[in-house]
Amino acid sequence: SAVISQKPSRDICQRGTSLTIQCQVDSQVTMMFWYRQQPGQSLTLIATANQGSEATYESGFVIDKFPISRPNLTFSTLTVSNMSPEDSSIYLCSVDWGATEAFFGQGTRLTVV
Amino acid sequence: GQQVMQIPQYQHVQEGEDFTTYCNSSTTLSNIQWYKQRPGGHPVFLIQLVKSGEVKKQKRLTFQFGEAKKNSSLHITATQTTDVGTYFCALRGPGNQFYFGTGTSLTVIP
Repeated sequence: SAVISQKPSRDICQRGTSLTIQCQVDSQVTMMFWYRQQPGQSLTLIATANQGSEATYESGFVIDKFPISRPNLTFSTLTVSNMSPEDSSIYLCSVDWGATEAFFGQGTRLTVV
Repeated sequence: GQQVMQIPQYQHVQEGEDFTTYCNSSTTLSNIQWYKQRPGGHPVFLIQLVKSGEVKKQKRLTFQFGEAKKNSSLHITATQTTDVGTYFCALRGPGNQFYFGTGTSLTVIP
């Protein structure tokens, strides 16, 4: 299994500012994923991050709003830019483990005020 | 992205009753996975189904993949309070990403 450390675990941010969420994995993984989960909702995939290439964004998500870095095989960051209250959500990083299952970090609970 | 529908959205059961959630896709799936998310937690992998008509059991949980590989179900026998949470099915997209179903939130009344 993979151990994923995600930080911060929670934050309260002013609108118009940006927050960078970090995701560290204890093993090298090819693919990392970033999800958003709004209260009481399912997980929505934001983007797939592969090391050495640009992230692939899902429909409705753009790089200017959610820039992603993937500098190596164990680390990724997601930035939520120019935040508004609508960005209040839980953000989760995930890795594809053994081509079978997804492992998740503990999530970052973001509140934008 | 792709999405699968789950029904019901919410289910409240008395402890000891059975529970079933269904996952339906309009397209044929290569495989399907099930996850459980406890309140305040993150999703945790339960199982993957690959073969048409496949049935797998984990203690009181029974997972089934439809013959046409367009639907799947999770059945819990004799629910316990520890079963509380949201159950998601998930499928793999063409880029190996995971897409999650809409989820079924289970409440177990002691």
